[in-house]
Amino acid sequence: NAGVTQTPKFQVLKTGQSMTLQCAQDMNHEYMSWYRQDPGMGLRLIHYSVGAGITDQGEVPNGYNVSRSTTEDFPLRLLSAAPSQTSVYFCASSLRRDNQPQHFGDGTRLSIL
Amino acid sequence: GESVGLHLPTLSVQEGDNSIINCAYSNSASDYFIWYKQESGKGPQFIIDIRSNMDKRQGQRVTVLLNKTVKHLSLQIAATQPGDSAVYFCAESGGYQKVTFGTGTKLQVIP
Repeated sequence: NAGVTQTPKFQVLKTGQSMTLQCAQDMNHEYMSWYRQDPGMGLRLIHYSVGAGITDQGEVPNGYNVSRSTTEDFPLRLLSAAPSQTSVYFCASSLRRDNQPQHFGDGTRLSIL
Repeated sequence: GESVGLHLPTLSVQEGDNSIINCAYSNSASDYFIWYKQESGKGPQFIIDIRSNMDKRQGQRVTVLLNKTVKHLSLQIAATQPGDSAVYFCAESGGYQKVTFGTGTKLQVIP
């Protein structure tokens, strides 16, 4: 059972570069989300999707774009990387948005130089 | 290495003892609560959840207690094992409110 798969696991970028963090789930979950995790802070929601073709902003959306063309995939795009985006990024999914535990991937550790 | 566990409150427990990890939540309208476990280099893993119409729920070696009066949640781990060493954090949500995650407590199990 793959669950939520994130790639790459590690990435180093230079300021101004763009890249896409991949996320795929095989549980047919409607709800998918992206979080960033920084030392001393709780997980912060970047963007989320309640189904294919529907996305919305979370708490810290600036500098990031998402799309949800299929139920399975929810890529996160960094448009022009900045050092403040150095973080660990987690993708999560759940059957529905409300009152459901989320299943997390193992994260992408991103460093922006 | 994993830097998320730095600067977190730490609970050190002897192997075999019981552990109690506490969480204060912020929104009195929250009606669903979850405990997650995060091992170094891994994503958060669901442990147990509880809805606001309950004050206690038990799983395998874990119990969650909810006190809505003081907005407090606790996770009890019985007979703590080395494999329980991790960061534990709570999350709250309710209705259309997005999930809010706590910052976590690091549990260190002393063999």
